[in-house]
Amino acid sequence: QQPVQSPQAVILREGEDAVINCSSSKALYSVHWYRQKHGEAPVFLMILLKGGEQKGHDKISASFNEKKQQSSLYLTASQLSYSGTYFCGTEMGGGSNYKLTFGKGTLLTVNP
Amino acid sequence: EAGVTQSPTHLIKTRGQQATLRCSPISGHTSVYWYQQALGLGLQFLLWYDEGEERNRGNFPPRFSGRQFPNYSSELNVNALELEDSALYLCASSLSIGSNQPQHFGDGTRLSIL
Repeated sequence: QQPVQSPQAVILREGEDAVINCSSSKALYSVHWYRQKHGEAPVFLMILLKGGEQKGHDKISASFNEKKQQSSLYLTASQLSYSGTYFCGTEMGGGSNYKLTFGKGTLLTVNP
Repeated sequence: EAGVTQSPTHLIKTRGQQATLRCSPISGHTSVYWYQQALGLGLQFLLWYDEGEERNRGNFPPRFSGRQFPNYSSELNVNALELEDSALYLCASSLSIGSNQPQHFGDGTRLSIL
């Protein structure tokens, strides 16, 4: 089941904040976040495991609410380099069934 | 450290032909994943190989197949190509299986079907 990302697109001015949400209809074991710039490979940002911990990476942080089956990515004081498409990848089970199911992505544009 | 490398960068085929895409993982990584990225659909999981074995596959027809070699590099084969197979095919590798292992992606192979 593909997770639903919202919003589909967001435009910011440099220095503004943004939140990207990722929701699943099924219970999640982990959530992975990636950023892909146009014409480039997706780049790993962070992994959140069930347990509700919040992670941070520079001015980008994320939370995972396993009860609500959703994760949110927070971008603070956005920089031009934050522009790109953000994907969440969700895992519903480990072992031999391990796989990531990615959302359709959120296009983030940061303008000067 | 060299990243994930994929070849060729671009591949143009016609309907009914067969395509072979190649991937070399990061040194020390044993798991290789294949994804299809078609416009507007995000990344669709195709296949997962680990230690030479196919561990899981996504909802794709059997004409999508692959293998992993003893050096952990991998091939994706697509037979009887159809127009809708046109997409960017991404390969990723990880250190091992497990929820806490990030996947590192290559730049992809752009497959165009005429």
